[in-house]
Amino acid sequence: KAGVTQTPRYLIKTRGQQVTLSCSPISGHRSVSWYQQTPGQGLQFLFEYFSETQRNKGNFPGRFSGRQFSNSRSEMNVSTLELGDSALYLCASSLDLVGTDTQYFGPGTRLTVL
Amino acid sequence: GENVEQHPSTLSVQEGDSAVIKCTYSDSASNYFPWYKQELGKGPQLIIDIRSNVGEKKDQRIAVTLNKTAKHFSLHITETQPEDSAVYFCATRFNNNNDMRFGAGTRLTVKP
Repeated sequence: KAGVTQTPRYLIKTRGQQVTLSCSPISGHRSVSWYQQTPGQGLQFLFEYFSETQRNKGNFPGRFSGRQFSNSRSEMNVSTLELGDSALYLCASSLDLVGTDTQYFGPGTRLTVL
Repeated sequence: GENVEQHPSTLSVQEGDSAVIKCTYSDSASNYFPWYKQELGKGPQLIIDIRSNVGEKKDQRIAVTLNKTAKHFSLHITETQPEDSAVYFCATRFNNNNDMRFGAGTRLTVKP
């Protein structure tokens, strides 16, 4: 079975731009969660989507948004990029909701904001 | 707010020794406690998890113990090998808003 894939793997943007990251979960998984990982703040939960509905949201500003498609693929969008948005963005999928089933992480997208 | 504290932040052991990493949490309703290993350039990989209805779980050289009364859980790695070197994260699901919270991570170095 193929693992969680994320595209692109690396991205460089400038302040004020917007960015869209993509995540393809493991086949059959219905839950997709997004996390931001930085050296200073560690791993922080952004949001979780399950069956195309946002089920949970972390403590991030409205510039961070996401969606999930009927095939469970998910995208997250960050608008009006700030320098502090530079991070590794990780996607994780599971069969069921977070905490009820094992989460499998993708390799991440490294976003650099200049 | 709710958080997860993880100690130590760095740990260096000799090959063959044991390593123990501890985490404490604040939400007494938490019921799921996974541990992840993250190697350089990769996403976190689940290595073991435990639910609140058991106190200990083992998988070969890895074990996790849970003390719900004290609200802490620990990862135990026995007979460490150089390939165990990585950053380890504990996590728990906070029931009030159902999101996963991670510890700050422990960088484990196993010296050959």
